[in-house]
Amino acid sequence: GESVGLHLPTLSVQEGDNSIINCAYSNSASDYFIWYKQESGKGPQFIIDIRSNMDKRQGQRVTVLLNKTVKHLSLQIAATQPGDSAVYFCAETRAAGNKLTFGGGTRVLVKP
Amino acid sequence: GAVVSQHPSRVICKSGTSVKIECRSLDFQATTMFWYRQFPKKSLMLMATSNEGSKATYEQGVEKDKFLINHASLTLSTLTVTSAHPEDSSFYICSARWDRVYEQYFGPGTRLTVT
Repeated sequence: GESVGLHLPTLSVQEGDNSIINCAYSNSASDYFIWYKQESGKGPQFIIDIRSNMDKRQGQRVTVLLNKTVKHLSLQIAATQPGDSAVYFCAETRAAGNKLTFGGGTRVLVKP
Repeated sequence: GAVVSQHPSRVICKSGTSVKIECRSLDFQATTMFWYRQFPKKSLMLMATSNEGSKATYEQGVEKDKFLINHASLTLSTLTVTSAHPEDSSFYICSARWDRVYEQYFGPGTRLTVT
């Protein structure tokens, strides 16, 4: 389940199940969105991106969905594995060359 | 490709001293580098944007005289934390990109501890 508190929201998922991580973004003018994975003590690692002229993009085991009407972004991880345990951040930007704005992050814990 | 390194990965310094963190793009020319700060269990906070050959642009609330940024070449940017205090202890992460593209490539981060 998902919990929200003083710490990062945490999504606990059974190994092999699918994970869905949600993100609400703030700027309706943003036109590029990225999902990053960050393992403890490391820098963010690119997972997948999507431009505002698309509503869905698939990668290897990951899918990003974009709903511009409600300014919502989601990351779906298929067949979640122990190596997927990490903190996931969404980020948005307005135009090529502009700075990224990061969301608050969601911790994913994969239970064996 | 698109590898960004940071040095050192960890540093401990005494209060009042200065410490320099390097960010290098190893296989591309980075016209822009970004410096972020991350507290435990928090998201990344942009500190400043650094363009090669020009002064860095600092985010609101970031002291430019305390966090000195130099981007002297297309492959190297440095962040110097001057007169460090325990509250400066944090995880500092850089990213780099080349001109007018969306993608940023992140370094592995530097853990700074000020005693």
